[in-house]
Amino acid sequence: GAGVSQSPSNKVTEKGKDVELRCDPISGHTALYWYRQSLGQGLEFLIYFQGNSAPDKSGLPSDRFSAERTGGSVSTLTIQRTQQEDSAVYLCASSGQGSDTQYFGPGTRLTVL
Amino acid sequence: SQKIEQNSEALNIQEGKTATLTCNYTNYSPAYLQWYRQDPGRGPVFLLLIRENEKEKRKERLKVTFDTTLKQSLFHITASQPADSATYLCALDWGTGRRALTFGSGTRLQVQP
Repeated sequence: GAGVSQSPSNKVTEKGKDVELRCDPISGHTALYWYRQSLGQGLEFLIYFQGNSAPDKSGLPSDRFSAERTGGSVSTLTIQRTQQEDSAVYLCASSGQGSDTQYFGPGTRLTVL
Repeated sequence: SQKIEQNSEALNIQEGKTATLTCNYTNYSPAYLQWYRQDPGRGPVFLLLIRENEKEKRKERLKVTFDTTLKQSLFHITASQPADSATYLCALDWGTGRRALTFGSGTRLQVQP
């Protein structure tokens, strides 16, 4: 594709519900990242996938958060039993082999009521 | 822990002037540093990357400097235009192999016509 796409663009959910956020990286990019951006804050690293290697999950804030990447392409970030503090914009980025530049998607704005 | 500081106050300048944004960090220097632009409701867009062994990088009206003694990077936009109005984020890679970037909270630039 032309760029990184994410869906949905907006998600409103009730506290306690599970949500799934999707990321389609740039075709051929081997690395995929998830970040979270709260209002007025910088981006907070969540998880990193590189090829077939085990993902770096060191940024996930709790065990309610998980992510998978199928076939080395599309990734899904799942948040179980959502809490109000999970409200933020969730950004996905991808980068090519050997590249340090990250290309970001437009983000998914999650609101937990 | 490593910290990144960007001026949280908005920077207001007149069109045609040079905008200078600051990124300071603590402890040891990163392997490289990147600057991104973020518009409201959009994901960050890569602008420039500078490595620890480089002093300066230029791209069109943009210039980045990297001073490992001062632990600081400066980002300059010359001949600024209203279209340059956005939030500018610095992002550091500490060279640990994790590849995920650590972002500052960004500085909002407003260029007045």
